[in-house]
Amino acid sequence: GNSVTQMEGPVTLSEEAFLTINCTYTATGYPSLFWYVQYPGEGLQLLLKATKADDKGSNKGFEATYRKETTSFHLEKGSVQVSDSAVYFCALRRNTGNQFYFGTGTSLTVIP
Amino acid sequence: EAGVAQSPRYKIIEKRQSVAFWCNPISGHATLYWYQQILGQGPKLLIQFQNNGVVDDSQLPKDRFSAERLKGVDSTLKIQPAKLEDSAVYLCASSSDRAYEQYFGPGTRLTVT
Repeated sequence: GNSVTQMEGPVTLSEEAFLTINCTYTATGYPSLFWYVQYPGEGLQLLLKATKADDKGSNKGFEATYRKETTSFHLEKGSVQVSDSAVYFCALRRNTGNQFYFGTGTSLTVIP
Repeated sequence: EAGVAQSPRYKIIEKRQSVAFWCNPISGHATLYWYQQILGQGPKLLIQFQNNGVVDDSQLPKDRFSAERLKGVDSTLKIQPAKLEDSAVYLCASSSDRAYEQYFGPGTRLTVT
């Protein structure tokens, strides 16, 4: 089957700290992988994506690399800001059928 | 480009009442999704449309939930009758055949009392 497992939160970091949120997946075939972010009171927004193995997605200082050998897509940022406080969701998309599967989300709070 | 529109943003109803949510996807997007997001959890797919047709409704509680997509554009999701455990945010998303990502609307927060 298809599923996504994220590290559990909540995660609290000081401003300028290094961030890693782990994500592993189980999928049939070769999925595309995504990170979505949900700010308080808002809908989900696409943060970054990778569509094939070894691709690196990046946006707003966040990065994630599609690792087929470890079935992982860990999210990283070198220096977090207070404005990065949000819930982060890892997701995969089946390339046949266009269905998406989401992880349970990881809440991040960045304190000044 | 306008985003995915949803209404209402908030709804409070009593159990056993009915409620309907509306979604207007991004123009030209053939695929439309309805998700249920319970507090503290990730979105769970309820139903996926490709144009007018249903692609996946395996997790839709069909005894109380129904959805339709008129003319392959707007969609409505209905709950009748509502239960306490239906309290959640209902998210609508759309995607095109050419792009890999989904675009989400702001969601409708439903509270069943």
